[in-house]
Order: sequence, then C-alpha cells, then structure tokens
Amino acid sequence: NAGVTQTPKFQVLKTGQSMTLQCAQDMNHNSMYWYRQDPGMGLRLIYYSASEGTTDKGEVPNGYNVSRLNKREFSLRLESAAPSQTSVYFCASRVSGNEQFFGPGTRLTVL
Amino acid sequence: AQKITQTQPGMFVQEKEAVTLDCTYDTSDQSYGLFWYKQPSSGEMIFLIYQGSYDEQNATEGRYSLNFQKARKSANLVISASQLGDSAMYFCAMREADSSGTYKYIFGTGTRLKVLA
Repeated sequence: NAGVTQTPKFQVLKTGQSMTLQCAQDMNHNSMYWYRQDPGMGLRLIYYSASEGTTDKGEVPNGYNVSRLNKREFSLRLESAAPSQTSVYFCASRVSGNEQFFGPGTRLTVL
Repeated sequence: AQKITQTQPGMFVQEKEAVTLDCTYDTSDQSYGLFWYKQPSSGEMIFLIYQGSYDEQNATEGRYSLNFQKARKSANLVISASQLGDSAMYFCAMREADSSGTYKYIFGTGTRLKVLA
C-alpha cells in the first residue's frame, strides 16, 4: 500500500515547455486534489476531482489542466510553463472521511 | 469568502514547554471542518488533528489538542511537552463544501515552530 505517489520528484523546465505531473493513489479514494505551495503562501488549490471523470477549478487554475481518467490517477498538465509556475506541487486524496492524504510533492522549477 | 488566517509567521518554544499556534477562520457555512497539518523540513504533509463544527468537545490526539472557540472563529493548536522533533511548519486548514457538496480545503499561510533545547 503505497498511499499517494507523485512523479517526478523534481523537474526543471524552460519557459514554454509542457509537462504532465502524475499522481496515483491505491486507497480507493473518490476525491483527489492538486495544490501548489509557494513560500509564504501556504497551499493553494489548483483543481480537484470528486470522482472519475469529474474535475473542478480551485483557487488558482489558470495555466493548468487536469485529467481524471480513472479512480486511481489524477494528472496535472502545464501546457506552456512560465516562471510563475515554479513551485512545489502536492497531490492529495480523500475517501469519505475528512482527512486528506498527501503525496510527497513535486518540486518544479521553470527557467 | 472563506478564509484561514495564521498571524504568527514564526514561534519559538523551549523543549518540554507547551505552545499555542493561532488560527482564525471565516466562513458562512454552518457545517465545516478544521484541520492542522505538520510539514517538517523533509516536506511531507502530516495530518495532526481534526475538529468538526458541530463537535462540542475540543479534539485531542496525544500531545496535540485543538482549542475550538466557535463564537470567536478560532481553532488554535496546542502542543504540550514540546519535543525537538516538533520543529516544523504548521498549517491550519478548513474544509468547505462546494455547490455540489464536494469537499475542498483552504489553508493558512503557516507558522514555523522552532523548539529550543
């Protein structure tokens, strides 16, 4: 039981490049979330998904797209990366309880 | 709009002493939940404690307790008998439901706690 996994752990991109951050959970959770964490800003919600095939915008969705193709996986895509997207990205999941389970994070730098 | 405020960017506490980390929230919902998470320097997010808006008793989990004052809209974390391993960033968070009833969460900006030997 790996919990929530994220790949990659680290990534460096050049401005304008695209990439997809992968997140998977093996806990049979319905809800999944993507956050970004910037110094002094706490965690801010980018997108979330209540179930397979549904997604909703969070607080800071601009510049991102997501895909929830199945119950296990929730991916975050940057189509044209910008330096302002340099951040640590966390994926989380939740079942019926209140607690969220977080992945280890992806540290992204956009040059 | 829903909001979480943590006004203490940094705190120091002597080992074995108790410390209170402040959190205030703003919501118009009647049903909500409040959480505290710990983020050590290694970066992972660790769930500490949860308080529901209808819970009459303050939540406790080992050395952690949540001082819930509903009328004041505060949900302070109390750590008793601080240990060196408690040095970390602490985030207060609130669960709210969107228009379809799906839970989403908002986080405060965090308090960095340093425990002194």
